[in-house]
Amino acid sequence: ETGVTQTPRHLVMGMTNKKSLKCEQHLGHNAMYWYKQSAKKPLELMFVYNFKEQTENNSVPSRFSPECPNSSHLFLHLHTLQPEDSALYLCASSQEGTGDGGYTFGSGTRLTVV
Amino acid sequence: LAKTTQPISMDSYEGQEVNITCSHNNIATNDYITWYQQFPSQGPRFIIQGYKTKVTNEVASLFIPADRKSSTLSLPRVSLSDTAVYYCLVGDMGNAGNMLTFGGGTRLMVKP
Repeated sequence: ETGVTQTPRHLVMGMTNKKSLKCEQHLGHNAMYWYKQSAKKPLELMFVYNFKEQTENNSVPSRFSPECPNSSHLFLHLHTLQPEDSALYLCASSQEGTGDGGYTFGSGTRLTVV
Repeated sequence: LAKTTQPISMDSYEGQEVNITCSHNNIATNDYITWYQQFPSQGPRFIIQGYKTKVTNEVASLFIPADRKSSTLSLPRVSLSDTAVYYCLVGDMGNAGNMLTFGGGTRLMVKP
């Protein structure tokens, strides 16, 4: 356990379904992130939340909708996804305001869209 | 944002020392250099971080020359379980808005 917990670990959904990914961090960090990792591609930053406020939306399609109710929890709501959205979705957290430290990642949710 | 360049892949044998170099020519004054390890279907794991000179912890060493335009991750006496992708990330980790971007990483294969 890294201190960042993601559920579920695996998810299979149809293109018309609505599902949500959950991330919870127990590290007292104040910034949280969603990354997407497709097969044999670099990690792509999707969303950044800093002190619960979304600071960046990296041109992500609207079928992905993030929610950050507090500094410890982060959700990614999914609806009408496409097969090309199948990927490993990773949540990370960090501590804003310090130059050092790093990202702590969860184990990810393996999403398959059928 | 500092762009990083790493070799795509490296091969090694058990017991050898492995050095992976990352180039980051446009590193900024506030940027730190952080290395991550990622196994298949898992999130990247923090290995080591440095700002300048040399940093050592229980798993690796990080060498950073005076100009900070490159860095070298050194893994002593690798084992089969060190087979993974290694990422070099350069940026001001204290500012979430910096949107740090991971490069392609270096795929290390350790052979018996």
